[in-house]
Amino acid sequence: DAGVTQSPTHLIKTRGQHVTLRCSPISGHKSVSWYQQVLGQGPQFIFQYYEKEERGRGNFPDRFSARQFPNYSSELNVNALLLGDSALYLCASSLTRAGMDSPLHFGNGTRLTVT
Amino acid sequence: GENVEQHPSTLSVQEGDSAVIKCTYSDSASNYFPWYKQELGKGPQLIIDIRSNVGEKKDQRIAVTLNKTAKHFSLHITETQPEDSAVYFCAASMVDTGGFKTIFGAGTRLFVKA
Repeated sequence: DAGVTQSPTHLIKTRGQHVTLRCSPISGHKSVSWYQQVLGQGPQFIFQYYEKEERGRGNFPDRFSARQFPNYSSELNVNALLLGDSALYLCASSLTRAGMDSPLHFGNGTRLTVT
Repeated sequence: GENVEQHPSTLSVQEGDSAVIKCTYSDSASNYFPWYKQELGKGPQLIIDIRSNVGEKKDQRIAVTLNKTAKHFSLHITETQPEDSAVYFCAASMVDTGGFKTIFGAGTRLFVKA
């Protein structure tokens, strides 16, 4: 079975631009979560979507937005990019709203570099 | 806010020795504690997890313990092998508005020397 797939794998953008990252969950999984991982740190929670609705939001500015489509795939959008947005963006899917009965399964991430 | 602290940040052991990574969490509502292993260029992979109603769980060379009173949980790897070298993250999950939130520790870089 295919795992969580993310595209693109690498991306270079300039300050002020916007970016769209894409994620396809494991087949049958209905929840997608997005995390930001800065080099040398643990993943930081950005959003969780379940059944196409936002179910949780981390401490990130409104420049960050996301959505989930009817096929449960998801997009993360970041506007007005800053240098500090450079990070590995991880998508994780789970069968239901992630918790003790539905652990997170991560993709390999999109490495975003903002210059 | 919710916080997970992880120690040590770096751990170097000889092949065959044991490795222990410790975490503490702040939110007493946390009820699920997964551990992830992240290799270079890859996303974190779940290696073991423990629920709040269980004190200990073992899977071959890996074991986790949980002390809810002290808000401590630990990962124990026995008979370490070079392929265990990676970054390990502990995490704590708790109910958030409409769903669950998983908070990660900062990670432990484990080196297993052959």
